[in-house]
Amino acid sequence: DGGITQSPKYLFRKEGQNVTLSCEQNLNHDAMYWYRQDPGQGLRLIYYSQIVNDFQKGDIAEGYSVSREKKESFPLTVTSAQKNPTAFYLCASTRGGLDYGYTFGSGTRLTVV
Amino acid sequence: QKEVEQDPGPLSVPEGAIVSLNCTYSNSAFQYFMWYRQYSRKGPELLMYTYSSGNKEDGRFTAQVDKSSKYISLFIRDSQPSDSATYLCGGGSYIPTFGRGTSLIVHP
Repeated sequence: DGGITQSPKYLFRKEGQNVTLSCEQNLNHDAMYWYRQDPGQGLRLIYYSQIVNDFQKGDIAEGYSVSREKKESFPLTVTSAQKNPTAFYLCASTRGGLDYGYTFGSGTRLTVV
Repeated sequence: QKEVEQDPGPLSVPEGAIVSLNCTYSNSAFQYFMWYRQYSRKGPELLMYTYSSGNKEDGRFTAQVDKSSKYISLFIRDSQPSDSATYLCGGGSYIPTFGRGTSLIVHP
């Protein structure tokens, strides 16, 4: 079955560490997105990519970085510059263009210890 | 002011009730609207999306958009305990903006 796979499901980060969250899709979707979800705040866009080797900052990109070297993969790195990284991170994809039916992964819960 | 406002709830209803979930939005440029359901500790799943004002029905779910009043609604008929989840509304003209989500509890 096609879908989006996020790993790991749970991740613990020490202060000052960079960590990378994985997002892989086998839907042949062109566009991929990273969202952060905090209690009571809804979904906030971190980065998005419409095509391979191109990506754009979202509303809260500071302290995060991404790459899009393959159509299927859109990893997110949470750097030590992100001062409050504890959150639920969601990856999504669409066919792009006028397709707004997002498919979401099951999320990664990141906790700073 | 957030672009999409949604009451967080929780909204508690008995099984079999008709549920009405609502959102308002402020950006008149929004061209499409969507509803997602999210179970605890899971990713959201798309329920419906629409481009136009009016109603769109899918099984027990009906999405309603009133662009003149910037109001988005989701109706759930014959609600079931399995409908207990957080419901996210969203809208946009390119990248969507989402509301905070409304927590729905359907008790037997």
